[in-house]
Formats: sequence, structure tokens, C-alpha cells
Amino acid sequence: DAGVTQSPTHLIKTRGQQVTLRCSPKSGHDTVSWYQQALGQGPQFIFQYYEEEERQRGNFPDRFSGHQFPNYSSELNVNALLLGDSALYLCASSPPGTRGEQYFGPGTRLTVT
Amino acid sequence: AQSVSQHNHHVILSEAASLELGCNYSYGGTVNLFWYVQYPGQHLQLLLKYFSGDPLVKGIKGFEAEFIKSKFSFNLRKPSVQWSDTAEYFCAVNGFSGGYNKLIFGAGTRLAVHP
Repeated sequence: DAGVTQSPTHLIKTRGQQVTLRCSPKSGHDTVSWYQQALGQGPQFIFQYYEEEERQRGNFPDRFSGHQFPNYSSELNVNALLLGDSALYLCASSPPGTRGEQYFGPGTRLTVT
Repeated sequence: AQSVSQHNHHVILSEAASLELGCNYSYGGTVNLFWYVQYPGQHLQLLLKYFSGDPLVKGIKGFEAEFIKSKFSFNLRKPSVQWSDTAEYFCAVNGFSGGYNKLIFGAGTRLAVHP
């Protein structure tokens, strides 16, 4: 049983560019959350998707957007990249009926130059 | 503000020593509590969780945690650590303001166990 998968593993972009990160949830999971983890910090909640809609959003600007597909996979899009967007982006999935228990993927390391 | 605090950023222990990592949160309502571990080069893994009931919960690899509601704490313990426990440990909480979608993480504690 595959866990949460994310692609790509690493990505280097230039300031002002746009990036799309992808996530496939664990089998049987229907909820996907995205987090940003800067060096030396804990993950920060970006948003969560359920039934193809954004259910909750953290304190991130509108440059961060997402999408969930009918197969529960998800994308995170970041527009107009800033140097400060350099971080590890984590995707987590949750099974139905749980109280927020989340399982994390390996992350995508984004470097903005 | 809703927050999670981990008191120790770096902990160094010798094998067989006992471990206790502190975690406190700032919210008076009902919360769910989690400890995650990140081994070198690996992704975050769920170590244990508390939803309700017995405040002493046991997780994988001999870890346990105790929820003390009056102290808003959820400390992680292990009686005897091993070199393989070297990792970063994160405390996380959801349920702030009644929502269970968002996990709020502490800054993490980096544990180094020397043989």
C-alpha cells in the first residue's frame, strides 16, 4: 500500500515564476492538506481540500492556490514566487471519519533564486 | 493566539538514558494531540495520538505521552532511548476553535542519541 506521494522531489525556480506541486494521497484517504516547512521550523498549514473544495485556509497570501481532483489527488500552485517561498512543501492526507489524523508525504523541496 | 510550544530545541542523550520532551499548547477548548517524528532523510511519521479517554497514550517504538489538561501539556517520554531514536520530534495540535482540519505544529526538538 503506497503512502502519500509527492512530485517533484526537488525544484529550482526564479523569482516571479510560477510553480505547481503535486500530491497523491494514501489509498482510501479523501482529504488532502498542504504545509510549508521552512528550515528549522515546524510545518505551517497552507490549506486543506475535501470534496474538491478548499475547506480551510491558513495565513498564506492568494498567490498560494490549490486544486483537488475527483481521484482525491491535489495540486499546490504558487504564483509570483518570492525568495521567501523557498521551503519544503508537505502534503498530508487523512482518511474519512477521523478527527484530523494526517499522514505526510516526503515533501517537495522548492528553492527560489 | 493559538500556538504550540516545544521547550527544548536540541537534546543530547546517551543510549539507555530516559527521554522527556515537553509540549504545551495555548487553547482552553477540546483539542486532539499528536507527536510526529522525522528520522534523518525520511518523512514525517505519526508516533502517537490522543483524542480522548486515558490521558496516557502509547505509540510505536516504546514511546508514550501524557496529556495533562490542567497544564495544557502533552509531553513525550521514553524510558530508555536508542541510537536509532536520533530524529526530530514535532508536537502538533488540532481542534483550535472547533476545527479539526488544521494541525498546528511546534518548532520541533532535535534529539541526538550517542552510543
